[in-house]
Amino acid sequence: DAKTTQPPSMDCAEGRAANLPCNHSTISGNEYVYWYRQIHSQGPQYIIHGLKNNETNEMASLIITEDRKSSTLILPHATLRDTAVYYCIVRVLAGNQFYFGTGTSLTVIP
Amino acid sequence: ETGVTQSPTHLIKTRGQQVTLRCSSQSGHNTVSWYQQALGQGPQFIFQYYREEENGRGNFPPRFSGLQFPNYSSELNVNALELDDSALYLCASSPDPKETQYFGPGTRLLVL
Repeated sequence: DAKTTQPPSMDCAEGRAANLPCNHSTISGNEYVYWYRQIHSQGPQYIIHGLKNNETNEMASLIITEDRKSSTLILPHATLRDTAVYYCIVRVLAGNQFYFGTGTSLTVIP
Repeated sequence: ETGVTQSPTHLIKTRGQQVTLRCSSQSGHNTVSWYQQALGQGPQFIFQYYREEENGRGNFPPRFSGLQFPNYSSELNVNALELDDSALYLCASSPDPKETQYFGPGTRLLVL
């Protein structure tokens, strides 16, 4: 069962930062927060993951609140190619599967 | 590109038939997971294979079965196809069962 809550859709202007929120109020101490995105009918693409600390890579930044009950994925300069469904997933450290919800459909507007 | 490949890309079957889908994992990865994604939904975990053994299963009936080969490629078999089996089938490989999973492009199955 999905343990996260995300808004169903968001818009972002091209070139601006896209901030995608995720609530995971029941997260446990041994659970990671993962983000994937899926561009229309393709396989999900791994973006980033974290446990407690904020993380940054070449694609995005992940900000996790101190109580770990929510997080935000930041795409610093959104482009049209970032239009996709973004999934926030909580994964048990000892678990072997990802529970996907319905995600946030992000539309980047020219 | 993740290096995970799946075949075929598209497939049409009729109800009651059987289907085999194939997945080649990324080099160095010994774990393959399979997911089913119905239209408008997120992917649902079917099962995972690690070093040729099933290593966890989601809420899918026994007519969904799989194999993993010594080179870590994998097959998903579905018997007695039903209309509701129409979906995008995704495989994901990882270096270890608990590591990040990298997805292939999927196989779209249509059951008529």
